Amino acid sequence: DAGVTQTPRHEVAEKGQTIILKCEPVSGHNDLFWYRQTKIQGLELLSYFRSKSLMEDGGAFKDRFKAEMLNSSFSTLKIQPTEPKDSAVYLCASSFGTGGPEVFFGKGTRLTVV
Amino acid sequence: SQWGEENLQALSIQEGEDVTMNCSYKTYTTVVHWYRQDSGRGPALIILIRSNEREKRSGRLRATLDTSSQSSSLSITAAQCEDTAVYFCATGTNTGKLTFGDGTVLTVKP
Repeated sequence: DAGVTQTPRHEVAEKGQTIILKCEPVSGHNDLFWYRQTKIQGLELLSYFRSKSLMEDGGAFKDRFKAEMLNSSFSTLKIQPTEPKDSAVYLCASSFGTGGPEVFFGKGTRLTVV
Repeated sequence: SQWGEENLQALSIQEGEDVTMNCSYKTYTTVVHWYRQDSGRGPALIILIRSNEREKRSGRLRATLDTSSQSSSLSITAAQCEDTAVYFCATGTNTGKLTFGDGTVLTVKP
């Protein structure tokens, strides 16, 4: 399966810890997105990369959230320090990036902060 | 918000019934995506309708787009139990960046 791969699938962290979530986009895709999903807020965009350049860094998430894309096939999302309100599903997605194309999502990482 | 006043909605229907879900959006878009999300998985695209299309069909799915009223709908004909999922609409422009609506939880009962 050449879809978006996210690891780990589940993560439990204590308040104040640093966690790093990983994502491998679909090979050849130029755009990569990180979303956070909660029942209350729904799907919120955290970061958006185009050809490894950061295009958008969600304002509300800037202080403790940092996404990086060191190469075209790998991205990380670091949360430092974690807080209980960060408990959510974090979704990575990728697309070719032009003409309103399909966006492919990974299965997500469920983060629980205790 | 990109979207109108819209919280996560829930619909429950019997197998075999038809169902329509609606979305409205505030800002310009060139395309409306409809995604479904099954439990434990990320959203998956099921149908995409562009601003120059009024209707798009795919199997039992039918999407409409009215750019004048900035609204879109997704209809499922003869719903089946396996259609049970959360359905999202999302708007996008010429980039891949999407803005999602709150979603509709659809339950199809046997």
